[in-house]
Amino acid sequence: AQSVTQLGSHVSVSEGALVLLRCNYSSSVPPYLFWYVQYPNQGLQLLLKYTTGATLVKGINGFEAEFKKSETSFHLTKPSAHMSDAAEYFCAVNYGGSQGNLIFGKGTKLSVKP
Amino acid sequence: DVKVTQSSRYLVKRTGEKVFLECVQDMDHENMFWYRQDPGLGLRLIYFSYDVKMKEKGDIPEGYSVSREKKERFSLILESASTNQTSMYLCASSWRTGRGTDTQYFGPGTRLTVL
Repeated sequence: AQSVTQLGSHVSVSEGALVLLRCNYSSSVPPYLFWYVQYPNQGLQLLLKYTTGATLVKGINGFEAEFKKSETSFHLTKPSAHMSDAAEYFCAVNYGGSQGNLIFGKGTKLSVKP
Repeated sequence: DVKVTQSSRYLVKRTGEKVFLECVQDMDHENMFWYRQDPGLGLRLIYFSYDVKMKEKGDIPEGYSVSREKKERFSLILESASTNQTSMYLCASSWRTGRGTDTQYFGPGTRLTVL
């Protein structure tokens, strides 16, 4: 079955440090790829998405992700963490289904230490 | 801005009760989705709808039903609530371009506790 894997259910970084959240997908056919963020007691909000074209995608709040077909990966990065980045992050994929259904990873909770 | 609203933020029900969760979107989106979110399991799709009166089962439809009588409104129904349905329920909506690139917009969620 097609799937998406997020490595690390919890990631902790210091304020100002690099944020790296990992996402790998399972298909040999490149999917459409999304990163969502969920702040405490809120719904999910789109950070960025890859559809076609440039493999480095910039999103909101200084986040970016790079699609690497050879590694079947779509890792999320931010050069310098801020306290307000503490949240849960979900990677999601659409394997080309016309109905728009997404398959979500299990999420990575990011903590930012002062 | 897209707005997806859910009828309740917190809900407490008793085992065996019939529970209605409602979701309304204001962007004229064709697609609407219901997910449940549990710690360590991520989001799992319960049902989705791509048009009025149309519905499709997701990954975990057992114990749930849905209704979509108007384009903007999508209801999730727990026919007889059970304790294992205690969870966070998230509604989402999106355009239906058929290309798989459509962003889903989420409501704030309903945290349901079944006692």
